[in-house]
Amino acid sequence: LAKTTQPISMDSYEGQEVNITCSHNNIATNDYITWYQQFPSQGPRFIIQGYKTKVTNEVASLFIPADRKSSTLSLPRVSLSDTAVYYCLVGDWSKSTFGDGTTLTVKP
Amino acid sequence: DADVTQTPRNRITKTGKRIMLECSQTKGHDRMYWYRQDPGLGLQLIYYSFDVKDINKGEISDGYSVSRQAQAKFSLSLESAIPNQTALYFCATSMGRASTDTQYFGPGTRLTVL
Repeated sequence: LAKTTQPISMDSYEGQEVNITCSHNNIATNDYITWYQQFPSQGPRFIIQGYKTKVTNEVASLFIPADRKSSTLSLPRVSLSDTAVYYCLVGDWSKSTFGDGTTLTVKP
Repeated sequence: DADVTQTPRNRITKTGKRIMLECSQTKGHDRMYWYRQDPGLGLQLIYYSFDVKDINKGEISDGYSVSRQAQAKFSLSLESAIPNQTALYFCATSMGRASTDTQYFGPGTRLTVL
């Protein structure tokens, strides 16, 4: 399995930028990095995906260094509704695991 | 995602009972998955199916079985439910197997085994 390591939890305040880093030392050449968001009692939802350098969409940015052994999800100006669990996945779905994710709590 | 539906949404059963959870999708995807999530933890892959004729075990398949009745339907069975199978169960789909393929999740089934 493509193992990933994330912080268990993070706290932030409304309006701040939040960066969540994921380590994936055994990433394979063809693997992409995908981040999902999960609210309580709901299924995970796709946020962003990348292979290298930087990817940005309307929700987040994903920064991937040249060695691709880690990645950072950046959420600009978070709000209370961004409180959720964030998962980093690497590689084919049959070989990757969601792990326990990072619980982000946004405070007023 | 409304394109992936699960029934029932909640189920309470007793130890030893046979339980079937059903998943249907209208996305036309070939790959379907069953995950289990325990409180405060991540998702664990139970089974996945590449297509109707191809079913594979995931991390935690013991005590579970699946049936892929059609491209759109993937059922998960607990032959003899036990209390530690109490969890939230999610079905998901994806177009293919590449890591670029987004997974789309159903709303989940909350199962309680007494």
